[in-house]
Amino acid sequence: GESVGLHLPTLSVQEGDNSIINCAYSNSASDYFIWYKQESGKGPQFIIDIRSNMDKRQGQRVTVLLNKTVKHLSLQIAATQPGDSAVYFCAETSGGANNLFFGTGTRLTVIP
Amino acid sequence: EAQVTQNPRYLITVTGKKLTVTCSQNMNHEYMSWYRQDPGLGLRQIYYSMNVEVTDKGDVPEGYKVSRKEKRNFPLILESPSPNQTSLYFCASSRRQIGEAFFGQGTRLTVV
Repeated sequence: GESVGLHLPTLSVQEGDNSIINCAYSNSASDYFIWYKQESGKGPQFIIDIRSNMDKRQGQRVTVLLNKTVKHLSLQIAATQPGDSAVYFCAETSGGANNLFFGTGTRLTVIP
Repeated sequence: EAQVTQNPRYLITVTGKKLTVTCSQNMNHEYMSWYRQDPGLGLRQIYYSMNVEVTDKGDVPEGYKVSRKEKRNFPLILESPSPNQTSLYFCASSRRQIGEAFFGQGTRLTVV
């Protein structure tokens, strides 16, 4: 089946630095992507989404970049804070699909 | 406060003993779904519901049942639990079929 994967299972960054979390997807029909953050002991929390007609979308301290040519998605977190420590999942779906397909996650650790 | 509430948070049961995990949302969302989360496999959808009395299978429905008699509630039923259903379960709701989903806190189920 199609897969949604992550390049790096773990990422450690210094507080204040920028973080980049990557995600590769293989379904060329995917047209909607979401990043979720999951803190320890909690359910996933929506961060930001992007549709395939865009290649960049910005939120508060976060930016999602979409490269459809190489089927790659990234989440950039500016000025990473200790509260950003969590597992980050990308998820994708295609028009008309009834569910999201989640990647396996990247654990981000922020070093104070 | 907008939330998705699951109960119980933790459950240890024996093989074959029927159990129900409840899920309730207070956001009047039409779309609800259940996921299981296992190490290295990310989140996989079990069942989803697009509205009252409308449910359908996700990616891993075997061994599970659901019902949607009211808009706010979407219980997950394990008629005869088996050890391979030991997992962390999340209920989620969203206003639309895809888009920002709100997740519950999770239910950690152990079947012995």
